[in-house]
Amino acid sequence: ETGVTQSPTHLIKTRGQQVTLRCSSQSGHNTVSWYQQALGQGPQFIFQYYREEENGRGNFPPRFSGLQFPNYSSELNVNALELDDSALYLCASSLKSGGQETQYFGPGTRLLVL
Amino acid sequence: QKEVEQDPGPLSVPEGAIVSLNCTYSNSAFQYFMWYRQYSRKGPELLMYTYSSGNKEDGRFTAQVDKSSKYISLFIRDSQPSDSATYLCAMSAPSGGSYIPTFGRGTSLIVHP
Repeated sequence: ETGVTQSPTHLIKTRGQQVTLRCSSQSGHNTVSWYQQALGQGPQFIFQYYREEENGRGNFPPRFSGLQFPNYSSELNVNALELDDSALYLCASSLKSGGQETQYFGPGTRLLVL
Repeated sequence: QKEVEQDPGPLSVPEGAIVSLNCTYSNSAFQYFMWYRQYSRKGPELLMYTYSSGNKEDGRFTAQVDKSSKYISLFIRDSQPSDSATYLCAMSAPSGGSYIPTFGRGTSLIVHP
């Protein structure tokens, strides 16, 4: 196990609703990244937070937003849910060191939008 | 054309076989090349990473990177049923001080006894 936990494990929402997903980083890690993994696809980068500031963003609309807290736990918020938002949402924590960081993934939250 | 191309499989092999998994890419700026393993209903787990071209070996696993051909491979020797999983390649280039991986879609591997 990586020490990265996510909650909830599964979630069902309806189109137009809002959702908050949570992630607890591995101890000692200061960076968290969020990914969306559609069925049969690889993870797509949503954004990254480093020391509570957004540190990079993928090609996702502003209705995807996030927070990182002083204890390095994190939230992903998605507003105005669409059917295509149905996916596995993964968070990964790492320790920023100036080069390629080893990212440790949580088990994910599976979101279904009806 | 996607930045990273990976055949989704499934690839089915008998126990003990040598498995070859491959990815091609188009972005010549990629510097780090990684392989992740993802079991069903789990998050990806980093197996190996390589910086630039060359080979890297770790137990039964060997990663190869050929930057001139924009082609990377993962070899698994003496494959076991417990190796059955989806294998994701990923690669990254520097961007604003970070290296954000771009993933392939994954190859499903089935090792049958």
